[in-house]
Amino acid sequence: AQTVTQSQPEMSVQEAETVTLSCTYDTSESNYYLFWYKQPPSRQMILVIRQEAYKQQNATENRFSVNFQKAAKSFSLKISDSQLGDTAMYFCAFMKHGGNTPLVFGKGTRLSVIA
Amino acid sequence: GAGVSQTPSNKVTEKGKYVELRCDPISGHTALYWYRQSLGQGPEFLIYFQGTGAADDSGLPNDRFFAVRPEGSVSTLKIQRTERGDSAVYLCASSPRVAPTDTQYFGPGTRLTVL
Repeated sequence: AQTVTQSQPEMSVQEAETVTLSCTYDTSESNYYLFWYKQPPSRQMILVIRQEAYKQQNATENRFSVNFQKAAKSFSLKISDSQLGDTAMYFCAFMKHGGNTPLVFGKGTRLSVIA
Repeated sequence: GAGVSQTPSNKVTEKGKYVELRCDPISGHTALYWYRQSLGQGPEFLIYFQGTGAADDSGLPNDRFFAVRPEGSVSTLKIQRTERGDSAVYLCASSPRVAPTDTQYFGPGTRLTVL
């Protein structure tokens, strides 16, 4: 079974600064996908960024980028130029490759962006 | 276009009662997932539909939980003899086709409170 661990229950960052959220995972699969989802108070999960494990290049999406270390099974999210609207819960998630499989989520990190 | 919608937004019921939670996926999405998110936790998988059939129901906690998707679009999650431990946010997600790389788009969830 796969597990996803987010070791930072809460974090805060000043507006316009950079913050990194940590995620580690455990799997015996060689091919898989990793995701970061954002959940604001509205409860709706929003995809932030996705990484295919077979790709060595780290994914980027505007102010969001990841540091994917496959050997270390680490998948951190860096948010640059933090904005007040980034305040939310952030969940790291894992999906096996090969047919539709459910997402396996971590417990989340609550991020507060401070003005 | 319209996203995934879920009704009701909030549901309060008494222990032992029966409840139904509804999910309207994005039009044309063939895959539909149900997750349960307890307080302070990440979402946990319940059941996945491909079209009208339940392709994977391994996450349903017991036989009090049942879900249907009779016409391959709207899905209903049914909980019999509710217990206080069933209190959680129930999230629905859909994705456009049978492919592991397809993003799951989430609804805003239904918050179920069992008194």
